[in-house]
Amino acid sequence: DTGVSQDPRHKITKRGQNVTFRCDPISEHNRLYWYRQTLGQGPEFLTYFQNEAQLEKSRLLSDRFSAERPKGSFSTLEIQRTEQGDSAMYLCASSFLRVRGNTEAFFGQGTRLTVV
Amino acid sequence: TQLLEQSPQFLSIQEGENLTVYCNSSSVFSSLQWYRQEPGEGPVLLVTVVTGGEVKKLKRLTFQFGDARKDSSLHITAAQPGDTGLYLCAGPLTGNQFYFGTGTSLTVIP
Repeated sequence: DTGVSQDPRHKITKRGQNVTFRCDPISEHNRLYWYRQTLGQGPEFLTYFQNEAQLEKSRLLSDRFSAERPKGSFSTLEIQRTEQGDSAMYLCASSFLRVRGNTEAFFGQGTRLTVV
Repeated sequence: TQLLEQSPQFLSIQEGENLTVYCNSSSVFSSLQWYRQEPGEGPVLLVTVVTGGEVKKLKRLTFQFGDARKDSSLHITAAQPGDTGLYLCAGPLTGNQFYFGTGTSLTVIP
């Protein structure tokens, strides 16, 4: 397993268009997270899944954002009617939730979205 | 209000100098992770600290977890240009989402 994989690495889209990003987590990781990051800032939480269930969504996630993890493996993040303010790096991470012991999140390389 | 506050936010030093980055919270964490992120890339996990008072060393990097598990520090000895990047602390709270610190942008000047 080569780690968390995100596709595409870069996306340029016109304002108003829809975009979809994909994340393939580390095999057997039961938790998957989506974050958004702007330049020089720490990642901001968007949502996370445990297996196929979406357990929490940030208030940052407007109605234009939707995420799915249909079979508890890969996940998609869709942004509808993109706005210039959506331009950011979108990061996916996965982890294995343990009953006891530490939990570590591993990140993909991110998808850089530019809305023009 | 940020759950994890990092200081300083920006740091620019000469090669060979030492530095310390701090990560503070009012909440207790079961563990804390430190990541380094380079421009255009995702954060890369450096270390996880679990036990209060724990100290871990990774070559020239020393990580410490506070006794009360509310804070952590990262000390770099003899910084090199390759250490340049955004340093992030993060941790899970009660099994929920990972919270990230505000980040420390480090520049090491040759």
